[in-house]
Amino acid sequence: GAGVSQTPSNKVTEKGKYVELRCDPISGHTALYWYRQSLGQGPEFLIYFQGTGAADDSGLPNDRFFAVRPEGSVSTLKIQRTERGDSAVYLCASSPGTGGGITQYFGPGTRLTVL
Amino acid sequence: GNSVTQMEGPVTLSEEAFLTINCTYTATGYPSLFWYVQYPGEGLQLLLKATKADDKGSNKGFEATYRKETTSFHLEKGSVQVSDSAVYFCALSTTSGTYKYIFGTGTRLKVLA
Repeated sequence: GAGVSQTPSNKVTEKGKYVELRCDPISGHTALYWYRQSLGQGPEFLIYFQGTGAADDSGLPNDRFFAVRPEGSVSTLKIQRTERGDSAVYLCASSPGTGGGITQYFGPGTRLTVL
Repeated sequence: GNSVTQMEGPVTLSEEAFLTINCTYTATGYPSLFWYVQYPGEGLQLLLKATKADDKGSNKGFEATYRKETTSFHLEKGSVQVSDSAVYFCALSTTSGTYKYIFGTGTRLKVLA
């Protein structure tokens, strides 16, 4: 079956611009996570949705970052006034629910480059 | 707080050599533990997992045992292949609320023919 998909695969933007990154989770998965992976590092948690609501946004670095999931499926991560330090691979993951031991399925990521 | 520490890479081995990648963790409660693999040009894939102490996860010849007493989850494989060349990430799932993952920094493995 179809896995998690993310678009675009690559995004190059200029400092100060606004970007949107999209995630299509596996059909039927209620939980959705966004992570950010900087070069040479492991992914770091940004935000978690259970259904339509952001249940935990404690990983968002500042108020320039925002994410939505209006219908409980597709999610969009939005970054305002991008900075060079925002350059990273943004990963989306989904799972059929939450609980100890439940596997998260990752998308291929969006590589964001801020010039 | 929760954290995962992995041995630094890169690790370079000859084909058929024995592999160990060390992973230790700090966590509140009893987390679930995972190994994910990232092949060149691909996304993160689950390799194996263990959900409680003394559980052994295994897949594709790789194994890891959840050791509560040493807070470790070392990855092992008896005979590596060139196709195992990838970056390996150890992760834990927090024990309540979001069950978000905390990842280590990753260990790059290169297997030479």
